[in-house]
Amino acid sequence: QVRLLESGPRLVKPSETLSLTCIVSGVSISGQYWSWFRQPPGKGLEWIGYIYYTGTSNYNPSLKSRASLSIDTSKNEFSLKLNSATAADTAVYFCGRFSGNYFPYYNDYWGQGLLVTVSA
Amino acid sequence: DIVLTQSPGTLSLSPGERATLSCRASESVSNFLAWYQQRPGQAPRLVIYDASKRATGIPPRFSGSGSGTDFTLTISSLEPEDFAVYYCQQRSHWLSFGGGTKVEFK
Repeated sequence: QVRLLESGPRLVKPSETLSLTCIVSGVSISGQYWSWFRQPPGKGLEWIGYIYYTGTSNYNPSLKSRASLSIDTSKNEFSLKLNSATAADTAVYFCGRFSGNYFPYYNDYWGQGLLVTVSA
Repeated sequence: DIVLTQSPGTLSLSPGERATLSCRASESVSNFLAWYQQRPGQAPRLVIYDASKRATGIPPRFSGSGSGTDFTLTISSLEPEDFAVYYCQQRSHWLSFGGGTKVEFK
């Protein structure tokens, strides 16, 4: 069974870097795409980016190049860094497996989510 | 960027009733449209992908239809666990979500 678990600091100071890791179990991270989404409290879902096991990645242009994804196949995990954090980055962050028949576009497995608050 | 508009914003229904949720795209997304269910405090759960295919473990009372710009998620007979927020999502170029439809108890 595919399981994903987000980990990282729950409180980040403004202007610092938000760093999260997603630990994958039950399936090899190799050969697949993986993603990050977020959801501000009481609001809708937003795509952050996705990464292939080779390291090729794609990002939401609205994040203005602040996001960076990386992947470690030896540890079966992947990570998100979001620099210059502001209060607007306060959200529940979800990792997931990114799938699709022709090209990947939906998450078929999700982590439980991690609330990260950006505040001094 | 493609904008997804979901309607209605809230649907007030009783268990056993039929729910019909709409998602309209500002331009064609072919059939690359997914629907998610999100219960309070939980992660989203994939319900439908490729506009009409049920995800693993989703009961047959859920069905999706449409292509191009107009899509529908139908729940034929609401069970208590179906009361939740539903989001549609597309990837034509970048990924985007609709604003959600809340299915609530009447």
